[in-house]
Amino acid sequence: DAKTTQPNSMESNEEEPVHLPCNHSTISGTDYIHWYRQLPSQGPEYVIHGLTSNVNNRMASLAIAEDRKSSTLILHRATLRDAAVYYCILPLNSNSGYALNFGKGTSLLVTP
Amino acid sequence: NAGVMQNPRHLVRRRGQEARLRCSPVKGHSHVYWYRQLPEEGLKFMVYLQKENIIDESGMPKERFSAEFPKEGPSILRIQQVVRGDSAAYFCASSPQQGNQPQHFGDGTRLSIL
Repeated sequence: DAKTTQPNSMESNEEEPVHLPCNHSTISGTDYIHWYRQLPSQGPEYVIHGLTSNVNNRMASLAIAEDRKSSTLILHRATLRDAAVYYCILPLNSNSGYALNFGKGTSLLVTP
Repeated sequence: NAGVMQNPRHLVRRRGQEARLRCSPVKGHSHVYWYRQLPEEGLKFMVYLQKENIIDESGMPKERFSAEFPKEGPSILRIQQVVRGDSAAYFCASSPQQGNQPQHFGDGTRLSIL
């Protein structure tokens, strides 16, 4: 299974952009890159996913390197509510499902 | 639309008892995943079910753990003869179809074993 590597923690000021990096050097050609986040005492929340092209949605943007060995989740203006653990995941693509195995993620601290 | 509902939110059991965790997926979702999160760890996949079928249970411990997703009613994760090491948060997620779809998570059941 392809693995991902993320920094343990990052800090940002409120209303500034945040770039959360993820390395996945053993990614295969068919692996999608998913991002989820988890707030304290809550279940994970889907953020965004992509394969090759950069992706945007109302929550964030995902920039994928041309060789796909790394990606960056971009929060355009961090708010206090964005403080969470962010997980970069390559789903386990079995014949019948896309199970997620979460690593330790990046703990994002947002300061006023 | 209601999201994934898990109950109970907190469950306390003594060693040797049984624990039953329930998960109602998003209405219309027929695919359910169960995950376990130990303290200070990320979630780990346990089992993937579709209605009335276990599709992938490669992450389930071989003994004492079972899961079902009946035609009617919620999905159930059952842990028999619980031990202290079963203390964890158990999360359920659902998706509308097979494939590379975002999963919708519940807020989990926190199981404590005395």
